Amino acid sequence: KAGVTQTPRYLIKTRGQQVTLSCSPISGHRSVSWYQQTPGQGLQFLFEYFSETQRNKGNFPGRFSGRQFSNSRSEMNVSTLELGDSALYLCASTPTDRVVTQYFGPGTRLLVL
Amino acid sequence: AQKVTQAQTEISVVEKEDVTLDCVYETRDTTYYLFWYKQPPSGELVFLIRRNSFDEQNEISGRYSWNFQKSTSSFNFTITASQVVDSAVYFCALSGSGAGSYQLTFGKGTKLSVIP
Repeated sequence: KAGVTQTPRYLIKTRGQQVTLSCSPISGHRSVSWYQQTPGQGLQFLFEYFSETQRNKGNFPGRFSGRQFSNSRSEMNVSTLELGDSALYLCASTPTDRVVTQYFGPGTRLLVL
Repeated sequence: AQKVTQAQTEISVVEKEDVTLDCVYETRDTTYYLFWYKQPPSGELVFLIRRNSFDEQNEISGRYSWNFQKSTSSFNFTITASQVVDSAVYFCALSGSGAGSYQLTFGKGTKLSVIP
């Protein structure tokens, strides 16, 4: 099976812009989670989607949002970018409700100038 | 609230030495899951192992072994006969049960450098 794919892999934006990141889970996986990784804060949970519904949300401002489509693909959006949003954004997919192991994609490196 | 502590920020060992990465966790859940992930320089988190809170059996997989002790809330990871390819950042993570099982709480990671 193909792994989790994320696009784009690298992105440069300027402050105030918005950005959309995409994640395609492993085939058959219905849960998709997003994480932000920065040198200062480490790996932090953003949100998790299952069957197009957000089930969990981390402690991030409303500028961070996401959605999931019927084919389980997910997107996350960050509006009004700030310098501190520069990070590696990781997406993970989980097979079923009984198997909780998350499998991660390669990430999207976002640089905000 | 859940918390994972990896007290070792960086470790350097010479190839073929054994090394243990420490992980201490805090949770109020009675059912929870513990994980170890490896992050090479490419950035992708690679899943290594998952442990359920009700299964304290230690596990060995090749050169890797894990020691889970609920009494001390620890889930330590040992690499035997380390190799240069083991150089990476290793993360210990914790999740709860039910809906909380899809939210991982990570430690800050331990950067392992294996010197040839």
